[in-house]
Amino acid sequence: AQSVTQPDIHITVSEGASLELRCNYSYGATPYLFWYVQSPGQGLQLLLKYFSGDTLVQGIKGFEAEFKRSQSSFNLRKPSVHWSDAAEYFCAVGSGTYKYIFGTGTRLKVLA
Amino acid sequence: EAQVTQNPRYLITVTGKKLTVTCSQNMNHEYMSWYRQDPGLGLRQIYYSMNVEVTDKGDVPEGYKVSRKEKRNFPLILESPSPNQTSLYFCASRLTGQGNYGYTFGSGTRLTVV
Repeated sequence: AQSVTQPDIHITVSEGASLELRCNYSYGATPYLFWYVQSPGQGLQLLLKYFSGDTLVQGIKGFEAEFKRSQSSFNLRKPSVHWSDAAEYFCAVGSGTYKYIFGTGTRLKVLA
Repeated sequence: EAQVTQNPRYLITVTGKKLTVTCSQNMNHEYMSWYRQDPGLGLRQIYYSMNVEVTDKGDVPEGYKVSRKEKRNFPLILESPSPNQTSLYFCASRLTGQGNYGYTFGSGTRLTVV
């Protein structure tokens, strides 16, 4: 069965520091992979997505993610975090049967 | 503006009183879905619809109903709400097909059942 694991429930970084949020998935074929961001009181917004091609994917707001098939990972990165990046981040995996599974989320806190 | 609109944003109700949360999208998306978000559990799919008059259960369908009479609308019905349905609900829509289409989410409905 497909699944998504986000091992870090909370992460705290200082403004200007680099960021990496981890996502591991379990899936029998090449998955559709997504990262979403949820700002307080808001819905989820798509940051980036991967299905095939270049394993390094660029998204909005300066985020990028790298697909590593050998590690079943799709980690989200940002070189320099801004205070406005404080939010909850969700990784998701999809399939040809249209079902998307979400991870439990990582809450990012940014210190000034 | 392309969007998914949910109403209401906040709702407090009493146990057993039927309620409907509306969802409408203006992007001509075939696929629509309802999720509930609970702390520590992430998003769990309640029901989904792949097109008009085609609906199916997600992972946590008990206590909920849906209908898809028009492509743009996908209401969520709680016929006899209970306190364990207190949660944050999201409607989402996307295209289907061979592409990896991401969801567009509504702003959410925070439901409290007392």
